[in-house]
Amino acid sequence: EPEVTQTPSHQVTQMGQEVILRCVPISNHLYFYWYRQILGQKVEFLVSFYNNEISEKSEIFDDQFSVERPDGSNFTLKIRSTKLEDSAMYFCASSQTDVPYNEQFFGPGTRLTVL
Amino acid sequence: KQEVTQIPAALSVPEGENLVLNCSFTDSAIYNLQWFRQDPGKGLTSLLLIQSSQREQTSGRLNASLDKSSGRSTLYIAASQPGDSATYLCAVRERGSGTYKYIFGTGTRLKVLA
Repeated sequence: EPEVTQTPSHQVTQMGQEVILRCVPISNHLYFYWYRQILGQKVEFLVSFYNNEISEKSEIFDDQFSVERPDGSNFTLKIRSTKLEDSAMYFCASSQTDVPYNEQFFGPGTRLTVL
Repeated sequence: KQEVTQIPAALSVPEGENLVLNCSFTDSAIYNLQWFRQDPGKGLTSLLLIQSSQREQTSGRLNASLDKSSGRSTLYIAASQPGDSATYLCAVRERGSGTYKYIFGTGTRLKVLA
């Protein structure tokens, strides 16, 4: 069964460093999303992406964040200068379309630890 | 702004018990509601997806109901097992400014005792 994959599973970085989290969505999906979950808190929507453009971003998704689909398979989230409060689990999701009755499929997550 | 709340926050039950987890949401303009399971430090496993036009969905020992007008959903787990121990999240799908996104609840941490 097709699934969303994410690498790495765990990333440790120093404050101020740039990190890139990678996702491989399901192959025929066209809509991509990032969510994050700070330890002990709710899962929160960050950004959605379609046709090489951001469709919507939350107030969390500030200028330190960017997303990209560098090739036909990968979808990346970049944090330019990490802060301690960026430590969280980051989930990638994809869906075939953005109609409301279509399910979003979630990846296993990347745990980001900023020291 | 949509708020999704889950009660109770934590629950501990003996094996074999039937149990109900509750999810409430403040804005009934949702398109669907999904229940997920999350094991500690792990990803999200989809359990059941209920479209806004549906009243319930069943999968094995799990049954989820949706009452959109009252802003409530319940997840019923029959004959609970220690392997059911996890955090259960509900999420509603709503239209944002540019996409259909999930708004997640606070979660119920379930422990089933052998």
